[in-house]
Amino acid sequence: ETGVTQTPRHLVMGMTNKKSLKCEQHLGHNAMYWYKQSAKKPLELMFVYSLEERVENNSVPSRFSPECPNSSHLFLHLHTLQPEDSALYLCASSQEDPPWIRSYNEQFFGPGTRLTVL
Amino acid sequence: GIQVEQSPPDLILQEGANSTLRCNFSDSVNNLQWFHQNPWGQLINLFYIPSGTKQNGRLSATTVATERYSLLYISSSQTTDSGVYFCAVEQVSGTYKYIFGTGTRLKVLA
Repeated sequence: ETGVTQTPRHLVMGMTNKKSLKCEQHLGHNAMYWYKQSAKKPLELMFVYSLEERVENNSVPSRFSPECPNSSHLFLHLHTLQPEDSALYLCASSQEDPPWIRSYNEQFFGPGTRLTVL
Repeated sequence: GIQVEQSPPDLILQEGANSTLRCNFSDSVNNLQWFHQNPWGQLINLFYIPSGTKQNGRLSATTVATERYSLLYISSSQTTDSGVYFCAVEQVSGTYKYIFGTGTRLKVLA
């Protein structure tokens, strides 16, 4: 148990569906992340929220839409996905300090949502 | 951007054997973590080690930041050690951006 939970754990959806992935962290952290892990590829950072504001977006297609209503919850809204979007989606959290403070930014991951797009 | 390479890509061990996994990175980093991903996909934190040496039971890690590499040692391996081992580095110049290596897939045979 890492203190980061994700639901659902498995999701199968059609290309025309709309669904959402949910992540919740119980660690009191102020930054949350979405990663995508495709078969035989490194983890790819999709979105970062620090202090509830999005600070980085790595050219992710607009069919993925993140939402961070507070520092403990993170959502990933999915619509009109493609089969190549099938992957393991991982959420992580960490405690981030301003860049001028050298701090302990260890990331903790949730169990992931395994998404299959038909 | 920074490149993170791990070796070997695959490793098969007999139970009880020792192994060393390597992570090379191409630029200075703020932080480095080692993770173990179990067969169900869960990433488990092993070490947070931007520099120096740490030990936790049968596992230990060393990061030599000036030479841009980190090593993960597994001693007396067990079947439960099987899975994929990732290192992840945080770039000095990027903001909150962790880059993951491609991983080492370990299988420990009984």
